[in-house]
Amino acid sequence: DVKVTQSSRYLVKRTGEKVFLECVQDMDHENMFWYRQDPGLGLRLIYFSYDVKMKEKGDIPEGYSVSREKKERFSLILESASTNQTSMYLCASSYPRLASSYEQYFGPGTRLTVT
Amino acid sequence: GQNIDQPTEMTATEGAIVQINCTYQTSGFNGLFWYQQHAGEAPTFLSYNVLDGLEEKGRFSSFLSRSKGYSYLLLKELQMKDSASYLCAVRDRGNMLTFGGGTRLMVKP
Repeated sequence: DVKVTQSSRYLVKRTGEKVFLECVQDMDHENMFWYRQDPGLGLRLIYFSYDVKMKEKGDIPEGYSVSREKKERFSLILESASTNQTSMYLCASSYPRLASSYEQYFGPGTRLTVT
Repeated sequence: GQNIDQPTEMTATEGAIVQINCTYQTSGFNGLFWYQQHAGEAPTFLSYNVLDGLEEKGRFSSFLSRSKGYSYLLLKELQMKDSASYLCAVRDRGNMLTFGGGTRLMVKP
């Protein structure tokens, strides 16, 4: 079974802090994604990566950056956390686009609260 | 860009059938996904449609009409454990997924 793990289930940080969210997948997937999920807004793509050291902006990249130094690990960085970044953060991974269904596998999520 | 609409909430009775609709307007289309998400858990894959028609998988079926920009997820013989959010997502030609807001389904005895 594909396993996507995230470093924390719950995290509380203060405004202005630098925050690192880690995601690891064990299926040798090329593609990895970071989403945030807010009530009524659904999942919104922050960044994705299709290879080591490669990254692309999603729909809402402002205030975030990412790092992918190894294939299995994709990190989301909040350079200076703000209260409007309080949200559920979900990481996902998938095979590259040649796979027929291109299913994304999700991690359990990190609920981040910024006070 | 993409615009995906689905109802916010639905309620149905155990043992019944429920249909969750999803309409989309997209600049490109390369498949539509349905995911199930129980409260506090990760979304899990239910179905994928890229051609018009109905895909059946046990109690769950998914339908797609590309010309109408329309899909539905059909759940039969509802069980209490089907209470969850159901997420519709469209893959564009760039292979990114855009999600709708999700439909929260409550199954009552």
